Amino acid sequence: GNSVTQMEGPVTLSEEAFLTINCTYTATGYPSLFWYVQYPGEGLQLLLKATKADDKGSNKGFEATYRKETTSFHLEKGSVQVSDSAVYFCALTAYSGAGSYQLTFGKGTKLSVIP
Amino acid sequence: NAGVTQTPKFQVLKTGQSMTLQCAQDMNHEYMSWYRQDPGMGLRLIHYSVGAGITDQGEVPNGYNVSRSTTEDFPLRLLSAAPSQTSVYFCASRKTRSSYEQYFGPGTRLTVT
Repeated sequence: GNSVTQMEGPVTLSEEAFLTINCTYTATGYPSLFWYVQYPGEGLQLLLKATKADDKGSNKGFEATYRKETTSFHLEKGSVQVSDSAVYFCALTAYSGAGSYQLTFGKGTKLSVIP
Repeated sequence: NAGVTQTPKFQVLKTGQSMTLQCAQDMNHEYMSWYRQDPGMGLRLIHYSVGAGITDQGEVPNGYNVSRSTTEDFPLRLLSAAPSQTSVYFCASRKTRSSYEQYFGPGTRLTVT
């Protein structure tokens, strides 16, 4: 089956530090890959996506590159801010039959950024 | 355009009680789903619907029922609540079953005592 593994948290960084959150996946076929962000007390929001190998998704200073050879989709940001404090979920969609695509999530990584 | 809305935001139930978590979307999306979020478990799919009148089970369907009588609404029913159902519940929708982007509601925090 499909699965997503992301680094355990929590991660605590100082403001302006470099962020990497590792994500690897197992899937049949050719999945699309996503990072979702959940701010405190809110639902999940799509942060960025990549739909094929070597694609780079980017948004709000975050980036992730779809690496088929290493089955990875690591999230990076060059300089984090306090407002980036949230839980980050790596996810994939893969074909599940009957024209449907199911979304599979990693367990989430909590990021806290301190001033 | 409200997106995906959920009510209530918080709920406390006693073991054995029943209740319905409401979910509605105003984006004319065909596909709707329910997830539960538990610490260290990520999000797990409970039930989903690919259109009005069509529902199917996800990864953790036991103890939950759903129906989809309209495109807009997708309620989740707990028939006899158990402490193991204490969780945060998210409803989500996407345009079609093959669409990439999924939109989430703000969640319902349920405690079963």
